[in-house]
Amino acid sequence: DSGVTQTPKHLITATGQRVTLRCSPRSGDLSVYWYQQSLDQGLQFLIQYYNGEERAKGNILERFSAQQFPDLHSELNLSSLELGDSALYFCASSVTDSSYEQYFGPGTRLTVT
Amino acid sequence: AQSVAQPEDQVNVAEGNPLTVKCTYSVSGNPYLFWYVQYPNRGLQFLLKYITGDNLVKGSYGFEAEFNKSQTSFHLKKPSALVSDSALYFCAVTTRDNYGQNFVFGPGTRLSVLP
Repeated sequence: DSGVTQTPKHLITATGQRVTLRCSPRSGDLSVYWYQQSLDQGLQFLIQYYNGEERAKGNILERFSAQQFPDLHSELNLSSLELGDSALYFCASSVTDSSYEQYFGPGTRLTVT
Repeated sequence: AQSVAQPEDQVNVAEGNPLTVKCTYSVSGNPYLFWYVQYPNRGLQFLLKYITGDNLVKGSYGFEAEFNKSQTSFHLKKPSALVSDSALYFCAVTTRDNYGQNFVFGPGTRLSVLP
């Protein structure tokens, strides 16, 4: 168990809908990362937050947004969902923004029908 | 732009034999390199990292990796494979200049250790 929690584990929704994925980092970790894992595109970095501030953006679509709250948990919001958004979404955390060892949560499997 | 290649989709090895999972990378600047392992229906687990120092890095579960700057490679190795090592292995790279730590992961290599 990495200490990173993600909810929900599974999510099934329809095209055009909006969902929110939640991540709680390991105790003491200030940095949170979001990744998307799909069969065709592999593991893609989406976005990183450090202590409430956005630090880096990767291949995140404009329909997606994220934030990190004062208690350090993070939420990834996915809107106007398309079939191609079906994937595993992972959250990872690390102690600082310059600490390179990331601890991954179990993931949320999103299915868009 | 950074990139990582894992030239083998699948590696099969007999239990007890040495294993190698290959990784090559392309970055501007000094690379920071990582190996992660993913078991079915689980998140990724950190195995080892190269930041600086000795080219041979030792990690979890008896794995090690060798950083080769001239060949831009960071191959994962283990002297004696176990059936329980069967999993999906990812190589990843970032650089010190990437303030936001924009990690790039390779496509993954599926390792099967046969009893």
